[in-house]
Amino acid sequence: DTGVSQNPRHKITKRGQNVTFRCDPISEHNRLYWYRQTLGQGPEFLTYFQNEAQLEKSRLLSDRFSAERPKGSFSTLEIQRTEQGDSAMYLCASSSRTGWITGELFFGEGSRLTVL
Amino acid sequence: KNQVEQSPQSLIILEGKNCTLQCNYTVSPFSNLRWYKQDTGRGPVSLTIMTFSENTKSNGRYTATLDADTKQSSLHITASQLSDSASYICVVNRITGGGNKLTFGTGTQLKVEL
Repeated sequence: DTGVSQNPRHKITKRGQNVTFRCDPISEHNRLYWYRQTLGQGPEFLTYFQNEAQLEKSRLLSDRFSAERPKGSFSTLEIQRTEQGDSAMYLCASSSRTGWITGELFFGEGSRLTVL
Repeated sequence: KNQVEQSPQSLIILEGKNCTLQCNYTVSPFSNLRWYKQDTGRGPVSLTIMTFSENTKSNGRYTATLDADTKQSSLHITASQLSDSASYICVVNRITGGGNKLTFGTGTQLKVEL
């Protein structure tokens, strides 16, 4: 499967714990995006990378959130000191150079976080 | 303010029936508009893209329309199937000095029943 891969698919954690999600984009895609989605809502932008550079971060990305893409390939999203409000689906998406122009994103299956 | 509003919020129809989903946007300057289908627990998948010059585009049983003057788009599903049950998300792409920006609607949750 050469699509966008995310893991883990599901994560249940206790409030205050740290969690990390990984995203492997489509190999030739240079842009990588993180979104958060809660039930009944559309995806909300968190941050995106062009190669290894993090070019934009949403105000939704508090200081407890950090994302990296160290070698311009896979990316990680870490949430420190999780809160119940962090419970959501975390979606990763990637796009090619031409796909970026048309706004075409290829999404992964998502990582669902439940904070107890 | 750049916004995308979708209606209805949810819809239940019988298998074989048609339905139309609406998307109104205030995003400017407009670049293009996409409809995504998101199955429960999965990531969204692009169904179709509408550019400024396109009024109607079909993809199988899905037909999208765009009226750039009134800033409205619709997605019409013909002869619905159980597998059409999903959330349909309208996403508008706008051009900014920093590049393209995507604005997502909240989606229409469609359920097709026997």
